Amino acid sequence: NAGVTQTPKFQVLKTGQSMTLQCAQDMNHEYMSWYRQDPGMGLRLIHYSVGAGITDQGEVPNGYNVSRSTTEDFPLRLLSAAPSQTSVYFCASRYMIDGGDPYTFGSGTRLTVV
Amino acid sequence: AQTVTQSQPEMSVQEAETVTLSCTYDTSENNYYLFWYKQPPSRQMILVIRQEAYKQQNATENRFSVNFQKAAKSFSLKISDSQLGDTAMYFCAFMKRGSGAGSYQLTFGKGTKLSVIP
Repeated sequence: NAGVTQTPKFQVLKTGQSMTLQCAQDMNHEYMSWYRQDPGMGLRLIHYSVGAGITDQGEVPNGYNVSRSTTEDFPLRLLSAAPSQTSVYFCASRYMIDGGDPYTFGSGTRLTVV
Repeated sequence: AQTVTQSQPEMSVQEAETVTLSCTYDTSENNYYLFWYKQPPSRQMILVIRQEAYKQQNATENRFSVNFQKAAKSFSLKISDSQLGDTAMYFCAFMKRGSGAGSYQLTFGKGTKLSVIP
């Protein structure tokens, strides 16, 4: 099925551990992005990419790294997890054309850092 | 930078009644899109309705309609004939129109939790 696939769906980390949240899409979308959702804060942009090899920071990039080696994949890396990174993470993608075309969102990853 | 404000953290409505969720935004842009997203307990983000700022006509999608007031920078969502399945978080979002990279970023409000009561 076409869409955005995020793995894992749930993860518990200890403070200081590292991990990678995976995001893959099969719609040939140029634009991919990562958001975090915290209670009472809505969704905030972490990093985004406009194509393979091109990434940039969003509103809350500290503590996260990204790379985009292919059009399909956009992993999010936590190098040293902190309790403040406990959140629900969403990957979203769309075509880069002028228009209100909807984003396609993944189903989210709930991350808990203890 | 854009900001989106949803002033109602929680709301409730009786089944079959009508409810309006408020959203205001601040931007210096003239061309943009506005969206309402629904997030049910499943966590999935679902596009409910979108509005193009250059269109004066308010968007409608079945039981969902918006009241778009560009001068007032207001974008409210009206849900008619509320159903139990409408229970969810609702997010208002802004996106600048254009073709540069910054044009594709969604700026979200903090959300309104809507409960439909049987």
